[in-house]
Amino acid sequence: SAVISQKPSRDICQRGTSLTIQCQVDSQVTMMFWYRQQPGQSLTLIATANQGSEATYESGFVIDKFPISRPNLTFSTLTVSNMSPEDSSIYLCSGGQGANNEQFFGPGTRLTVL
Amino acid sequence: QKEVEQDPGPLSVPEGAIVSLNCTYSNSAFQYFMWYRQYSRKGPELLMYTYSSGNKEDGRFTAQVDKSSKYISLFIRDSQHSDSATYLCAIPSSGTYKYIFGTGTRLKVLA
Repeated sequence: SAVISQKPSRDICQRGTSLTIQCQVDSQVTMMFWYRQQPGQSLTLIATANQGSEATYESGFVIDKFPISRPNLTFSTLTVSNMSPEDSSIYLCSGGQGANNEQFFGPGTRLTVL
Repeated sequence: QKEVEQDPGPLSVPEGAIVSLNCTYSNSAFQYFMWYRQYSRKGPELLMYTYSSGNKEDGRFTAQVDKSSKYISLFIRDSQHSDSATYLCAIPSSGTYKYIFGTGTRLKVLA
């Protein structure tokens, strides 16, 4: 199984600023995804990070707010732009491996926006 | 109707009990069924996955799929305090690599 790390593990940010979250996988993965998880809630898919091309966003999420990069098969970044308190959440990345694209998750980034 | 439904709990059981965690789904085309365990302040960890119908066992954990009822279960035998976590079912959406997650069931195993 892939081992996934995220940086930072947590941050407290001011309204109107931006934060970039990094996701590093210890092996090449076919797919990488970014999720948001509110405390006590399930996971909401933000986008699929595509290597070498623009990410594919889910309904309700747009590139201007959540720009994503994926320069290679082991690394991706998610930026949360122009943050507001409503963006306070846990952000998780995952990588897909295997015939059935089993997803393995990073530990998450806990973001608080004041 | 949601594509995947799961009782959020919390479910409290004494140590040693058999735990049954369940999800229902609406799309009969779903083929793979995953269970994740998430400890507080951690990312989800893939616990087990099954394909189509039947049972799959791994130690104290058994995953069961009943496609006729569109019902999946995770059984934990001899539950331990360390099993206290949130358990999420996840189903890959047909024709895509995206997962549909249940809301998660919070399990508390009382020592």
